[in-house]
Amino acid sequence: GAVVSQHPSRVICKSGTSVKIECRSLDFQATTMFWYRQFPKQSLMLMATSNEGSKATYEQGVEKDKFLINHASLTLSTLTVTSAHPEDSSFYICSAPGLAGGRGDTQYFGPGTRLTVL
Amino acid sequence: AQTVTQSQPEMSVQEAETVTLSCTYDTSESDYYLFWYKQPPSRQMILVIRQEAYKQQNATENRFSVNFQKAAKSFSLKISDSQLGDAAMYFCAYRSELFQGGSEKLVFGKGTKLTVNP
Repeated sequence: GAVVSQHPSRVICKSGTSVKIECRSLDFQATTMFWYRQFPKQSLMLMATSNEGSKATYEQGVEKDKFLINHASLTLSTLTVTSAHPEDSSFYICSAPGLAGGRGDTQYFGPGTRLTVL
Repeated sequence: AQTVTQSQPEMSVQEAETVTLSCTYDTSESDYYLFWYKQPPSRQMILVIRQEAYKQQNATENRFSVNFQKAAKSFSLKISDSQLGDAAMYFCAYRSELFQGGSEKLVFGKGTKLTVNP
């Protein structure tokens, strides 16, 4: 239980285009999901908290207009990187607090999406 | 704000030996959760072990156990009988006990890279 998927696993795009990354909770519902960014050999940096049916909460320093988050259902959150530039190249990971087994306090992570902007 | 510190950027261990990874944290809360996550080269974050702060008993999961010292705000991970598959980045993480206001988010340490030598 408590499986989180992400799609796509890898994406390469041209500078100036937009890229959408999906995060799904497969066997549980998630009113909240989290989006992280991870640079090589570094820890996870929380970008934003995605809330079902309401606006996302962004961490300080994260551009809301650059990283659009939509949490349209209890199992799906999307992160859209708008007008991507090479500096947006990174590994993006989502997570959701698992409810399976009653462990809503434990976050389960998606496998991540590697974004490369040329 | 809570902080998590992992003072060992890298550690190595011989196969079948035991290794301990250190983690300290700072918080003013009395109830919270602590986690160790493993991130192998695939970059999938995998939950290794969790500990509720109100529990005095140290959590164990097969070859993995923790030494939770609440007063000292220390949460070390012991890996016994190390295996080649244990080689990964290990992240210590803190989560507030509260279930609202964004407190579900995890605060991560910078990670410890564990190498297992055959």
